[in-house]
Amino acid sequence: NAGVTQTPKFQVLKTGQSMTLQCAQDMNHNSMYWYRQDPGMGLRLIYYSASEGTTDKGEVPNGYNVSRLNKREFSLRLESAAPSQTSVYFCASSETGGAFGYTFGSGTRLTVV
Amino acid sequence: SQQGEEDPQALSIQEGENATMNCSYKTSINNLQWYRQNSGRGLVHLILIRSNEREKHSGRLRVTLDTSKKSSSLLITASRAADTASYFCATAMNTGFQKLVFGTGTRLLVSP
Repeated sequence: NAGVTQTPKFQVLKTGQSMTLQCAQDMNHNSMYWYRQDPGMGLRLIYYSASEGTTDKGEVPNGYNVSRLNKREFSLRLESAAPSQTSVYFCASSETGGAFGYTFGSGTRLTVV
Repeated sequence: SQQGEEDPQALSIQEGENATMNCSYKTSINNLQWYRQNSGRGLVHLILIRSNEREKHSGRLRVTLDTSKKSSSLLITASRAADTASYFCATAMNTGFQKLVFGTGTRLLVSP
């Protein structure tokens, strides 16, 4: 039972390059989330998908796009990476919303130079 | 903006001692959750307390919630070196879709 799987684990991008972070869960959860974690700032929500077929902006969506490909997969795309997007990105899933705990992936450490 | 603020930001104790960390939040909530993050890893869900509950236990963890003061505390009893981690509170709002808003965390160091 893998839980939430994120790929890649590490990535270095040049300013202006694009990339997609992949996330998949095998718990049949309805809701999925993308957070970024920066030193001293906790986790901030980028985008979320309450259920398959829906996506909504979180607290810090600028510079990102998402796709809920199916119930299992939720990807995060950086169209034109900027140094300010250097961060650790976490994907999470839950049965439905925050009524129960979230399950987190192990994160993607992204550096934009 | 962060909903939860943890206090203290960092805590250093000896094995066997108790560790207490606090969380304050700003708006009405449906529930409050605590998570642990070991260095370089993802967050792990520890415990959830609903707004109509005042205290909850899970093993060596004890969580209290005071909705009148908009605050919660996490007590870890008889700490072990393996408890060394960052601890985050997260709140689920009472309206709309209940996405979690995380605080900035408390770094706990338990020395042998």
